[in-house]
Amino acid sequence: QTVVTQEPSLTVSPGGTVTLTCASSTGAVTSGYSPNWFQQKPGQAPRALIYSSSNKHSWTPARFSGSLLGGKAALTLSGVQPEDEADYYCLLYYTGAWVFGGGTKLTVL
Amino acid sequence: QVQLQQTGPGLVRPSQTLSLTCAISGDSVSTNSATWNWIRQAPSRGPEWLGRTFYRSKWLYGYAESVKGRISISPDTSKNQFSLQLNSVTPEDTAVYYCVRELHGGKWEDSWGQGTLVTVSS
Repeated sequence: QTVVTQEPSLTVSPGGTVTLTCASSTGAVTSGYSPNWFQQKPGQAPRALIYSSSNKHSWTPARFSGSLLGGKAALTLSGVQPEDEADYYCLLYYTGAWVFGGGTKLTVL
Repeated sequence: QVQLQQTGPGLVRPSQTLSLTCAISGDSVSTNSATWNWIRQAPSRGPEWLGRTFYRSKWLYGYAESVKGRISISPDTSKNQFSLQLNSVTPEDTAVYYCVRELHGGKWEDSWGQGTLVTVSS
């Protein structure tokens, strides 16, 4: 059973920078895993932020960026805003199946 | 702009079959440039990808290990829709179920159904 691991929770101050990571139980995450990142706020469906590791959608704020970092997929928020408080999920592709990470609860405090 | 409209019951009895349908407008279920997926999210849990169907000269399917053997996703080209069937449900299958389009190349975007809360209870 493939497991995708994220930090359960992180706290960041407004205006600060934070990096969320996404690790695979199978080894290093590469572009072949097609990492996607989603943001979810209470009562809403997940919203896509990043695809193919680092590509932004037209609606993705510039302060969000995706990368591959140290064998993991990473989502960096620079200049965090209060409205960025949310749950964040990564999604990885494994030959025929997609697997979500367990999610990171980001608190802006 | 693609739109996905879900239909199906919100209450299913234990051991019965959960059935949901997702009607597509603005795209074709037979397109070669997308896959058609079902994702669910149990209360206070993260999302879980359940499976997909897509057409690449023939119909192809993929299912999550967690539900393999109980799940079936099927396209209906005459109605431009696709359906989810999950057999032998238990209360652990209680969740909000979403149909979602993924564009070829691993691009998940904003094409989600409205979500259906399915409760498994007697």
